[in-house]
Amino acid sequence: LAKTTQPISMDSYEGQEVNITCSHNNIATNDYITWYQQFPSQGPRFIIQGYKTKVTNEVASLFIPADRKSSTLSLPRVSLSDTAVYYCLVGDRNAGNMLTFGGGTRLMVKP
Amino acid sequence: NAGVTQTPKFRILKIGQSMTLQCTQDMNHNYMYWYRQDPGMGLKLIYYSVGAGITDKGEVPNGYNVSRSTTEDFPLRLELAAPSQTSVYFCASRVGLHSYEQYFGPGTRLTVT
Repeated sequence: LAKTTQPISMDSYEGQEVNITCSHNNIATNDYITWYQQFPSQGPRFIIQGYKTKVTNEVASLFIPADRKSSTLSLPRVSLSDTAVYYCLVGDRNAGNMLTFGGGTRLMVKP
Repeated sequence: NAGVTQTPKFRILKIGQSMTLQCTQDMNHNYMYWYRQDPGMGLKLIYYSVGAGITDKGEVPNGYNVSRSTTEDFPLRLELAAPSQTSVYFCASRVGLHSYEQYFGPGTRLTVT
């Protein structure tokens, strides 16, 4: 039932910008795209949410093209503490309010 | 404002035993969810609720039951525990209809032996 596709893992170095792309071909007209961060032994934590174009907060930016079939989470100048699993989540128009997570992207930030 | 709380934090069950995982939120959110996460894997939706008195099955509901008698509480019941139910269980509540900002509890780590 996974509705999103993300790379399984990514490596980066401290100070670099990291871009993680999520594919979501069946996104519904009224659905938002949401990204979460999860550290080991903790529940996921909301990072950012958007509907179209670009959204920026103090933690990340979210880029959404006009067709909304994909989105890119951008983490500026990552640090070792950004090592985590990142999940993309969208609504499923065929399943009402059932929200399912995909496999996530395991980001490893190296010194 | 405690957010989403879960009890217990840890539990060891023997095969065939039953237990209830408690979840409470104090944000007056209508939507609540139960997920399980096996080691090294993503989250799988067990059950969810869109309001008091309404519950629906998720991806992996077999072996579990839920109830939602109040807005605040969403307990998850395990009947006849099996080793395959060894996992970390997360409860979450959600802000609104077209927003998927969920608030997660700290999780319950369950081992069935």
